[in-house]
Amino acid sequence: KNEVEQSPQNLTAQEGEFITINCSYSVGISALHWLQQHPGGGIVSLFMLSSGKKKHGRLIATINIQEKHSSLHITASHPRDSAVYICAVGYEKLTFGTGTRLTIIP
Amino acid sequence: DAGITQSPRYKITETGRQVTLMCHQTWSHSYMFWYRQDLGHGLRLIYYSAAADITDKGEVPDGYVVSRSKTENFPLTLESATRSQTSVYFCASILDRGYEQYFGPGTRLTVT
Repeated sequence: KNEVEQSPQNLTAQEGEFITINCSYSVGISALHWLQQHPGGGIVSLFMLSSGKKKHGRLIATINIQEKHSSLHITASHPRDSAVYICAVGYEKLTFGTGTRLTIIP
Repeated sequence: DAGITQSPRYKITETGRQVTLMCHQTWSHSYMFWYRQDLGHGLRLIYYSAAADITDKGEVPDGYVVSRSKTENFPLTLESATRSQTSVYFCASILDRGYEQYFGPGTRLTVT
């Protein structure tokens, strides 16, 4: 069983929809990361959090330490949000989920 | 402001050849990492370095060698490339423990 599980693996939605991507982990953690990878490959860190909630623009990340679960939300989704979203846990050495491929249709 | 760069971006090599992938960062970050990304496996840590002359194994180190003589450089060498090492390789760095990771653009390596 993978230490970091993401769901769904693939998600297609219409522009403007509210998006939720989930991440569950089986190990104790010091930090959880959400990363974004656009087609063509570049990986960008979106959030690093160890408790509560963080918000950048239309993106919101939450974490529940007791339930070992985190969610990434995108409000008012846009085609440019189409990417693979990756959850990872760790403080410096990261263990990654296999990613959620998000496609937003205009 | 170059940030973190990788070279080459694309490489085709033959089985048994030695190949070195380069990673360079301009931020003086303490930690540097090498990952490989494969379909179905996601990103996996190969080696990492906490500082110059300090390196340690990650999840999948077999067949790879690293060194870090200077803070800014972290080369990854495949001593005798195998087809199973065909992958996309990402280098990353962090200022120190507890900081977000910055990724290089990746190197797509094909071993024929």
